[in-house]
Amino acid sequence: DADVTQTPRNRITKTGKRIMLECSQTKGHDRMYWYRQDPGLGLRLIYYSFDVKDINKGEISDGYSVSRQAQAKFSLSLESAIPNQTALYFCATSDPLWAGSEYEQFFGPGTRLTVL
Amino acid sequence: AQSVAQPEDQVNVAEGNPLTVKCTYSVSGNPYLFWYVQYPNRGLQFLLKYITGDNLVKGSYGFEAEFNKSQTSFHLKKPSALVSDSALYFCAVRARGDSWGKLQFGAGTQVVVTP
Repeated sequence: DADVTQTPRNRITKTGKRIMLECSQTKGHDRMYWYRQDPGLGLRLIYYSFDVKDINKGEISDGYSVSRQAQAKFSLSLESAIPNQTALYFCATSDPLWAGSEYEQFFGPGTRLTVL
Repeated sequence: AQSVAQPEDQVNVAEGNPLTVKCTYSVSGNPYLFWYVQYPNRGLQFLLKYITGDNLVKGSYGFEAEFNKSQTSFHLKKPSALVSDSALYFCAVRARGDSWGKLQFGAGTQVVVTP
């Protein structure tokens, strides 16, 4: 969805490096989410946020941190990357007041991260 | 704990034949149910949802799904598959009482439609 953008789209890094993945949205949604996708495991929730003051851990938050710089921006950081964090990372947004789509999440195109 | 099962890693179907992708769930209460599709090098796209009401829901691209409460299933169907339907399909559930809108995803089913 062009309204949810992620940068970079691809990144190769080395073990121990700090990495930041960025997500921006123009939908005006309050809620933002970070997921990782692994083959055979589907998508798993890392962190989610209701607004800039509200950050919540998801199913697999260990090794990750997030920052909600503004309503439209939600960044995911790997403080010290390790190979098993190699995955496809997705950002998503939702808004319970968005009539007709209040239950849906809207996904960005993903960032493919490889940790060597 | 809630869970979503997609029992088939891959479904193969010939173009023009019916397509079914299975999903069962384990969630307390009556959840919200979703299907998303992922094309290569793309993000997930919403296909359809069940919130309440009619058990048969229709979505994008000719897809439909039937909510079966007794079998806790939400199978995705298309009467006549197209080669362009080849993609990765995800079933997802949201607990009805979850105000955060968090989704629990299945592992995904790869659909391959051959000409």
